[in-house]
Amino acid sequence: NAGVTQTPKFQVLKTGQSMTLQCAQDMNHEYMSWYRQDPGMGLRLIHYSVGAGITDQGEVPNGYNVSRSTTEDFPLRLLSAAPSQTSVYFCASSYSGPGPHEQYFGPGTRLTVT
Amino acid sequence: KNQVEQSPQSLIILEGKNCTLQCNYTVSPFSNLRWYKQDTGRGPVSLTIMTFSENTKSNGRYTATLDADTKQSSLHITASQLSDSASYICVVKESNYQLIWGAGTKLIIKP
Repeated sequence: NAGVTQTPKFQVLKTGQSMTLQCAQDMNHEYMSWYRQDPGMGLRLIHYSVGAGITDQGEVPNGYNVSRSTTEDFPLRLLSAAPSQTSVYFCASSYSGPGPHEQYFGPGTRLTVT
Repeated sequence: KNQVEQSPQSLIILEGKNCTLQCNYTVSPFSNLRWYKQDTGRGPVSLTIMTFSENTKSNGRYTATLDADTKQSSLHITASQLSDSASYICVVKESNYQLIWGAGTKLIIKP
């Protein structure tokens, strides 16, 4: 199993550009989520999905879109990049339903917006 | 407001020594508490998950404790190794499935 994979590992964008961060998992997990991690702060939830075709907003959704057309993939789109979106982005997945269930994280994407 | 606070912010110890990291939370209603290890430049990796009824859980040299009455948890690392250098993050899950993340304790093990 590859687990949770993310691409790219690093990305530099100019203000106003758009891009998609890719996330895939091969564990047949229903629940997938996107977090951002900033220095000195806990991880903050951006968007999450409890299954294909179902997405919902987390704590900091503004400026980001997601879709979940398959169980495996959960891409995160930055619509118009801003310097405030400079961060490390992590994708995670887990089983849903009665738990607790361990959450598995990808290696992260380090994004810089200039 | 639901919060998770960890102490100390950072800690330096010598290889082979023990250490204890603290986590205090105000999350309610409580579902479970998790400890993660995050190596520099990598995603968090789960160490333990503890429910309300569990007050101690071990994973190798890592032992987590939970006092649900005082809303405190600790992570004890025994006989530290250089590979234990990492950030350790405490996460509390609300009963409505929301995860509240602490900012982490950065642990440095010196030879």
